[in-house]
Amino acid sequence: AQKVTQAQTEISVVEKEDVTLDCVYETRDTTYYLFWYKQPPSGELVFLIRRNSFDEQNEISGRYSWNFQKSTSSFNFTITASQVVDSAVYFCALNPFIQGAQKLVFGQGTRLTINP
Amino acid sequence: ETGVTQTPRHLVMGMTNKKSLKCEQHLGHNAMYWYKQSAKKPLELMFVYSLEERVENNSVPSRFSPECPNSSHLFLHLHTLQPEDSALYLCASSQGGTGGFYEQYFGPGTRLTVT
Repeated sequence: AQKVTQAQTEISVVEKEDVTLDCVYETRDTTYYLFWYKQPPSGELVFLIRRNSFDEQNEISGRYSWNFQKSTSSFNFTITASQVVDSAVYFCALNPFIQGAQKLVFGQGTRLTINP
Repeated sequence: ETGVTQTPRHLVMGMTNKKSLKCEQHLGHNAMYWYKQSAKKPLELMFVYSLEERVENNSVPSRFSPECPNSSHLFLHLHTLQPEDSALYLCASSQGGTGGFYEQYFGPGTRLTVT
């Protein structure tokens, strides 16, 4: 069975603080993909990053960075020097290596509020 | 402008009404999805259409009926809904094919309220 857990339901920080969103996943597959999506107040989910299970290199994109650790089944997301525009709900998701449609399994989401 | 559009953005309907949600993607994808997002619940995959294959979540009630006339359009037909069906309904699209590699692109959703 596939499962994604985002234990932090809500986080509130002051602008310019660094913040880390946790994601822990469960799967028996050896090949799989992990994703992070952002859902701003407008509603649509926006794709942020994809990681495959064989690539444990950390990735940095501007103020965003991701730490993938297979040993702890975690794929954490850090925002450095947070800004008010980062306020949104963030979802971590898991997709096994399959044929056909992409059947993402989402975590419950973390609501991040950045206060000015 | 988003590559996935949904109409209407807001819908209020009574329990005896019949309505349809529409989704259109302009990205050349060959898979489309319906998700339900309720308060304090994970996103729930309802239906998938991929390369003419339809995949259902067996826990979705029969009062929800999908239709995918072509790879660019997806509908969700609603009839005799219950108040607990009130939620944000999100449409998404992606490339299909082997692997779990492809990210999904989401529309802005339809906020449905059942009275």
